[in-house]
Amino acid sequence: QKEVEQNSGPLSVPEGAIASLNCTYSDRGSQSFFWYRQYSGKSPELIMFIYSNGDKEDGRFTAQLNKASQYVSLLIRDSQPSDSATYLCAVIGSGGYQKVTFGTGTKLQVIP
Amino acid sequence: GAVVSQHPSRVICKSGTSVKIECRSLDFQATTMFWYRQFPKKSLMLMATSNEGSKATYEQGVEKDKFLINHASLTLSTLTVTSAHPEDSSFYICSAREGAGTGDSPLHFGNGTRLTVT
Repeated sequence: QKEVEQNSGPLSVPEGAIASLNCTYSDRGSQSFFWYRQYSGKSPELIMFIYSNGDKEDGRFTAQLNKASQYVSLLIRDSQPSDSATYLCAVIGSGGYQKVTFGTGTKLQVIP
Repeated sequence: GAVVSQHPSRVICKSGTSVKIECRSLDFQATTMFWYRQFPKKSLMLMATSNEGSKATYEQGVEKDKFLINHASLTLSTLTVTSAHPEDSSFYICSAREGAGTGDSPLHFGNGTRLTVT
């Protein structure tokens, strides 16, 4: 079982729609969760981080965390073609090593 | 926000030569830095954790004698790919956390180095 799982996609949404990206993780003791956006040929850039159950909003982005279900998601409202990228879910596990584990990423395509 | 600078952004070298990649934290000190490798259309693979003033911690399957890591100061870590071969061609990305690298602070990534070995 992979430690952090994401659907590879591509997820296609029309411009202006809500894109919903999902991620599950296996380490129940994980406390820190991050979403990164990676454009082709570029390195990842941090979009959001969330530590507590519930929702966290930042502009058009909302991160949702449900630790009981070991599930974290990212919602992108009013999707724009410039949002087209691969979105990586990252989790810091419960070990003292603070190792960050990445999912394989979900490719998002926003259709104009 | 925290800035991580990586240099060079792109390098082409001949097989058998060595290549050094630098990673600097520009506006914060980083006791710990991380080196990742990414193949096309694949996710990030952690290669090693670079610890200031001590030996790096390598992930399973990563040859420490081939990928030399030095973290001589709180703002600089280097990765040297020794005796490079075409299969070492990849996208190498460094990252760092602010402070002691503990706790929940997110990783900040450098812009990456695309290595091509001919």
